Amino acid sequence: QVQLQQSGPGLVKPSETLSLTCSVSGAPISSSRYYWGWIRQSPGQGLEYIGSLFYNGDIYYNPSLRGRATISIDASKNEFTLNLKSVTAADTAIYFCARAGRLGDYVEGWWDPWGQGTRVTVSS
Amino acid sequence: IVLTQSPDSLAVSLGETATMTCRSSQNVLYSYNNNNYLAWYQQRPGQPPRLLFYWASTREAGVPDRFSGSGSGTHFTLTISNLQPEDVAVYYCHQFYDTPHTFGRGTKLEIK
Repeated sequence: QVQLQQSGPGLVKPSETLSLTCSVSGAPISSSRYYWGWIRQSPGQGLEYIGSLFYNGDIYYNPSLRGRATISIDASKNEFTLNLKSVTAADTAIYFCARAGRLGDYVEGWWDPWGQGTRVTVSS
Repeated sequence: IVLTQSPDSLAVSLGETATMTCRSSQNVLYSYNNNNYLAWYQQRPGQPPRLLFYWASTREAGVPDRFSGSGSGTHFTLTISNLQPEDVAVYYCHQFYDTPHTFGRGTKLEIK
């Protein structure tokens, strides 16, 4: 049974970088069958797809993040990381990591399972 | 692709049927494989979303058959029959037809 466990700070100062890690157990992150991604949820924006990556390095980011997001993978630790730079109060949200099946080249499917979520507040 | 869910909230009596809809601004039916690239999730307070349906109507393992998903193209419906207390949640639709993936704003289901 695949489980995703998130870690990272719950408070980040404005203009700094938000960094979250998602540790995967029960499945190899270097699988050709899945994408690994980040989704956030805020009262104002609802559920917002941030981006995702494939084990071979293919990455897609939501253009709404204007180039501020970076997702990386550490196959040796079976985990992947989100870095979001230059954060503002608008980045305050619950952040989720999740897995999606690979339906084809550059085609991700539905998100399942999800991590437990990390509530991140951007405030000085 | 914009997903519009309605109603925003819904109150239904125990044992009755709850129906909610999701409309897509674009067709999410891929004619090559005749699959609708749409999923439904349930989110209870304090929990992450839980997958209910993919391909619009394929029930995820462990989801009670009181739940059903239907629709095609741009109009989709989630129906919950014989409503139970544990069904209180927010329900979201999600399209994976195009990037970036998008989600509806959700329908909040309560017990009347």
